[in-house]
Amino acid sequence: KQEVTQIPAALSVPEGENLVLNCSFTDSAIYNLQWFRQDPGKGLTSLLLIQSSQREQTSGRLNASLDKSSGRSTLYIAASQPGDSATYLCAVNPGRGAQKLVFGQGTRLTINP
Amino acid sequence: DAGITQSPRHKVTETGTPVTLRCHQTENHRYMYWYRQDPGHGLRLIHYSYGVKDTDKGEVSDGYSVSRSKTEDFLLTLESATSSQTSVYFCAISPDSYGYTFGSGTRLTVV
Repeated sequence: KQEVTQIPAALSVPEGENLVLNCSFTDSAIYNLQWFRQDPGKGLTSLLLIQSSQREQTSGRLNASLDKSSGRSTLYIAASQPGDSATYLCAVNPGRGAQKLVFGQGTRLTINP
Repeated sequence: DAGITQSPRHKVTETGTPVTLRCHQTENHRYMYWYRQDPGHGLRLIHYSYGVKDTDKGEVSDGYSVSRSKTEDFLLTLESATSSQTSVYFCAISPDSYGYTFGSGTRLTVV
């Protein structure tokens, strides 16, 4: 059974710092991996999707990497801002077609002005 | 979220009563999903649909049923609500193997 772990569960950093969020998964047979953002009381917003054949994806100040063989992904946030405060979740998709995502429990990020 | 709406947004119900949550999309996406989100467990898949009248179970399907009679609507029914089903329920849609859009969620409390 696929298990996804995110460490740390919470992270607090001052504004302007670069930071890395970690995600690990137990089964390397994945189709893709996604990073989501969730604001309090809201739904999830997709940030980045990495196919199993890719090593990284970038969107603005965000960069996600994938090392499928070691079962790890990282989300790098550059020059953090208070608006980046949210919970970040990673999810693995085990196969084609219906995306039966398996989620980690998330990292709650706080950026202090 | 644009293209996907959930109703109701909040509901309080009594143990043993049936409850139906609705997910409506305007994107004409093939796949629709129901997840629940609980502290300590994260998001877990309840049921999903891959077309009209085509549904399958997810990880935590016991006590839940679903129906999809039209492309745009996916209903989640708690046949006899229990306190363990108190949770936040999210619907999601995707066109294929890429891209995922979540609804804003339904907060359900079973008393």
